[in-house]
Amino acid sequence: AQSVTQPDARVTVSEGASLQLRCKYSYSGTPYLFWYVQYPRQGLQLLLKYYSGDPVVQGVNGFEAEFSKSNSSFHLRKASVHWSDSAVYFCVLRTVNMGYKLTFGTGTSLLVDP
Amino acid sequence: EAAVTQSPRNKVTVTGGNVTLSCRQTNSHNYMYWYRQDTGHGLRLIHYSYGAGNLQIGDVPDGYKATRTTQEDFFLLLELASPSQTSLYFCASSDMGGAETLYFGSGTRLTVL
Repeated sequence: AQSVTQPDARVTVSEGASLQLRCKYSYSGTPYLFWYVQYPRQGLQLLLKYYSGDPVVQGVNGFEAEFSKSNSSFHLRKASVHWSDSAVYFCVLRTVNMGYKLTFGTGTSLLVDP
Repeated sequence: EAAVTQSPRNKVTVTGGNVTLSCRQTNSHNYMYWYRQDTGHGLRLIHYSYGAGNLQIGDVPDGYKATRTTQEDFFLLLELASPSQTSLYFCASSDMGGAETLYFGSGTRLTVL
């Protein structure tokens, strides 16, 4: 069965610092991977997605993620965070088996100290 | 950009109560979804639909019914609410069934006393 693990429930960084949020997946097929962000009192919004090709994908607001098949990972990065990046970030795996299925990680809550 | 509107924003009911959560989307997306969000579980799919009159079972359907009355409107029904259904509920839509980009509403927080 497929699964997504986000090992860090909470991350705190200072404004201007770099960021990495970790995501590990388990799936025997070809993974399609997404990062969604949930700002306070809002629904989730797509940050970026990876289907194939260049393992480094760019997203909105300066975010990028790197896919690694050997490590079964899809880590999210940002070079310099802003206080407005404080939110919950979800890693999501799309699999195919008798139809499409999305599996969400448990989320990482990011707090950026101003 | 697609807009998904949920109502009510907050709801409190008692055990055994009857609750309907509403969701309306613009842009004529074919697929609509109901998720619940609980700490430690991420989002879990309750029901989804690929068109008016269609309903598909998700991963955690027990205790929930859903109905898609039009292309725009998708309802989640809890006919005998239980405290275990206290949660944050999200509706989402997408144009295609390949789980392309999902567009989420702002959520309904349901408390069952």
